[in-house]
Amino acid sequence: SYELTQPPSVSVSPGQTARITCSGDALPKKYAYWYQQKSGQAPVLVIYEDNKRPSGIPARFSGSSSGTMATLTISGAQVEDEADYYCYSTDSSGYQGVFGTGTTVTVL
Amino acid sequence: EVQLVESGGGLVQPGGSLRLSCAASGFDLSTYWMSWVRQAPGKGLEWVANIKEDGSEKFYVDSVKGRFTISRDNAKKSLYLQMNSLRAEDTAVYYCARKPPDYWGQGTLVTVSS
Repeated sequence: SYELTQPPSVSVSPGQTARITCSGDALPKKYAYWYQQKSGQAPVLVIYEDNKRPSGIPARFSGSSSGTMATLTISGAQVEDEADYYCYSTDSSGYQGVFGTGTTVTVL
Repeated sequence: EVQLVESGGGLVQPGGSLRLSCAASGFDLSTYWMSWVRQAPGKGLEWVANIKEDGSEKFYVDSVKGRFTISRDNAKKSLYLQMNSLRAEDTAVYYCARKPPDYWGQGTLVTVSS
């Protein structure tokens, strides 16, 4: 089955840039979406269609995609950005969804 | 405001059945694909199923094929997940989401245990 691979953890100091990668064979042809999930809460969409930011999401969140890798960048990370982050996409058929393995971001 | 509210979770014995519901409001349900996503305790997110706007197409993760059925009633503004032959590994918080997913409900906990 199709898989999306993320690093288990990323750690940065406040104000630094955090980058989270998501690797998958179908990413050259399928959009990536990124979600933030804080403990005990439902996920929140922070980036859609590779690089678009929903209304209300701070501008420090950005996304990009090149080849088989999508990247979520948090520029000037804040303590409140500590959370688990998941990428999401579909397989080459477009019908089977798949989430990445998840990345825990620590800001300290 | 888009709202998705799940219900129907609870404790069920292995081999049992449960039907989850999701009440949608704040948007026209009939014009969106919908999804179910689950999260086992302490684990990551897992896509479970998608259903087309009119219910004519349905797709499932391999681990639930033949056991779970996604359905919808656009007139009642509701999405459903019928879960049969439940296993311990189905224990999770189940989220209803509007595809891609963009909006999510708060989830309902399903516990499969004897």
